[in-house]
Amino acid sequence: KAGVTQTPRYLIKTRGQQVTLSCSPISGHRSVSWYQQTPGQGLQFLFEYFSETQRNKGNFPGRFSGRQFSNSRSEMNVSTLELGDSALYLCASSLGTVGLGTQYFGPGTRLLVL
Amino acid sequence: QKEVEQDPGPLSVPEGAIVSLNCTYSNSAFQYFMWYRQYSRKGPELLMYTYSSGNKEDGRFTAQVDKSSKYISLFIRDSQPSDSATYLCAMSAVTNTGNQFYFGTGTSLTVIP
Repeated sequence: KAGVTQTPRYLIKTRGQQVTLSCSPISGHRSVSWYQQTPGQGLQFLFEYFSETQRNKGNFPGRFSGRQFSNSRSEMNVSTLELGDSALYLCASSLGTVGLGTQYFGPGTRLLVL
Repeated sequence: QKEVEQDPGPLSVPEGAIVSLNCTYSNSAFQYFMWYRQYSRKGPELLMYTYSSGNKEDGRFTAQVDKSSKYISLFIRDSQPSDSATYLCAMSAVTNTGNQFYFGTGTSLTVIP
């Protein structure tokens, strides 16, 4: 069974631009969560989607948004990019909404904002 | 104060050593406790998953949770060079708005052959 895939793997943008990242979960998984990982702050939870509905949201500004499609694929959008948005963005999928322990992570998208 | 505190290391041990990794937390509502391993340029992979207090063993790995002290540990026996990675502790709590997830910043481990 194929794992979680994320595209693109690497991205370079400039301040003020916007970016869209994509995540395809493991087949049959209905929950997708997004995380931001930086050396200083570690992994921080952005939001979780289940059956096209946002179920939970972390403490990030409204510039960070996401959506989930009927096939469970998810996209994350960051508008008006800031230098501090440079990070590894990870997507994780799980079958349902049980605990974090059943989540499987993708390889991440590394975003650099100049 | 961060929800989860983890010593970033780096930690360097000889092959065969016993490794102890630890995290402390402040939120008594946490119920699920996990350890993830992350190799360079890869996403985290789940190693151990524990609900509430107690010990759990899986091969060379043992996870311990002490909710009274708000302290969790991961022990690696007979460490191997392939164990060299960053280890992340994670924990979650069920709230009325869904599951809240928190990660430690990770401990970098190097096992020297």
